Amino acid sequence: NFVLTQPHSVSESPGKTVTISCTRSSGSIASNYVQWYQQRPGGSPTAVIFDDDQRPSGVPDRFSGSIDSSSNSASLTISGLETEDEGDYFCHSYDSFNHEVFGGGTKLTVL
Amino acid sequence: EVQLVQSEAEVKKPGESLRISCQGSGYNFGSNWIGWVRQMPGQGPEWMGVVYPGDSDTRVSPSFQGQVTISADKSIGTAYLQLNSLRASDTAMYYCARRHLTYWYFDLWGRGTLVTVSS
Repeated sequence: NFVLTQPHSVSESPGKTVTISCTRSSGSIASNYVQWYQQRPGGSPTAVIFDDDQRPSGVPDRFSGSIDSSSNSASLTISGLETEDEGDYFCHSYDSFNHEVFGGGTKLTVL
Repeated sequence: EVQLVQSEAEVKKPGESLRISCQGSGYNFGSNWIGWVRQMPGQGPEWMGVVYPGDSDTRVSPSFQGQVTISADKSIGTAYLQLNSLRASDTAMYYCARRHLTYWYFDLWGRGTLVTVSS
């Protein structure tokens, strides 16, 4: 099975832009869609990106996703940071056997 | 209201078994895959498996094969996660989540069931 590796934490100031990476250990990042979930403290995860770069209804367009085959990684970019964006962010994908994997998570601090 | 309601927190002793439930409402429960996700304290989520309530088709992660049983009863709109031979390391929050009808993401999550295993 493959592993999705994320930075442990990132921090940025309100109004700025932050990017969180998610690197796939084996198999092509482009072979299977990547999702991103936000989890606020004490809450359940909610999706902010699906199918690499699509936003679920209700997610602001400050959130965007992309993949980069050269680095075999996906990225979540949040622009115009707000304090409510603080929380943990997890990437998620699957393999050809439909076995699914989550990244270890990145803690976003908006200070 | 469209929601997944999970059973309450549980405290168990090592070696015991436990079944967690996840009841869906406000939508056609039989039409969406339901997944189970474990989240240990301070860790990222781990995908345990999924069940399709429409025909009870089930997929279990190789990491949890033999340790869990995933099932569903469409007639009462409920999915189940059975944990066998519990160990202290099974202490975690367990979430159920609904997969979107068309896209490969979980679009609705339960609030989680906290399982504590302690002697």
